[in-house]
Amino acid sequence: GAVVSQHPSRVICKSGTSVKIECRSLDFQATTMFWYRQFPKKSLMLMATSNEGSKATYEQGVEKDKFLINHASLTLSTLTVTSAHPEDSSFYICSASLGTYLNEQFFGPGTRLTVL
Amino acid sequence: AQTVTQSQPEMSVQEAETVTLSCTYDTSESNYYLFWYKQPPSRQMILVIRQEAYKQQNATENRFSVNFQKAAKSFSLKISDSQLGDTAMYFCAFMSAGGTSYGKLTFGQGTILTVHP
Repeated sequence: GAVVSQHPSRVICKSGTSVKIECRSLDFQATTMFWYRQFPKKSLMLMATSNEGSKATYEQGVEKDKFLINHASLTLSTLTVTSAHPEDSSFYICSASLGTYLNEQFFGPGTRLTVL
Repeated sequence: AQTVTQSQPEMSVQEAETVTLSCTYDTSESNYYLFWYKQPPSRQMILVIRQEAYKQQNATENRFSVNFQKAAKSFSLKISDSQLGDTAMYFCAFMSAGGTSYGKLTFGQGTILTVHP
């Protein structure tokens, strides 16, 4: 149980285009979803927290107009990287929380974004 | 704000041996949760073990155990009988038990562990 999927697993796009990444909780309803960014051999940096039906809360330094987050249902959150540039190339990971014991987060497998 | 520090960028161990990964954290809160996550080459984050700060007893999960020293703000992970499949990047993480940061994980820098045959 508690499986989280992400789609796509890899995406390559041209500079200036927008890319959407989906995060789904497959067998549970997630009260909260989180989006992280990870550079090679580096730590996970929290970008934003989203709750179903409300606006995402962004961490300091994260451009909300650049990284659009939509949490349309209890099982789906999307991250759209708008007008992508090469510096946006990274590994993006989502996680979902049941909101129960220890508010444990279950992680998706990640999406590698490469902007040419 | 909380900070988590892992001072060992890389560690290596022989198969079947024991290794300890270090983690220290800084917080003014009295109640919180601590976690160790494993990220193998597949990059899927896997929960290894968790500790509730109000519990004095150290958590144990099979070959994985922690040494939680609350006063020293230290949370080390011991891996016994190391296996090749333990090769991964390990992250120590902190979560507040309440307040505006409840539910958010703060990760350390990570330690790359390599298990040699």
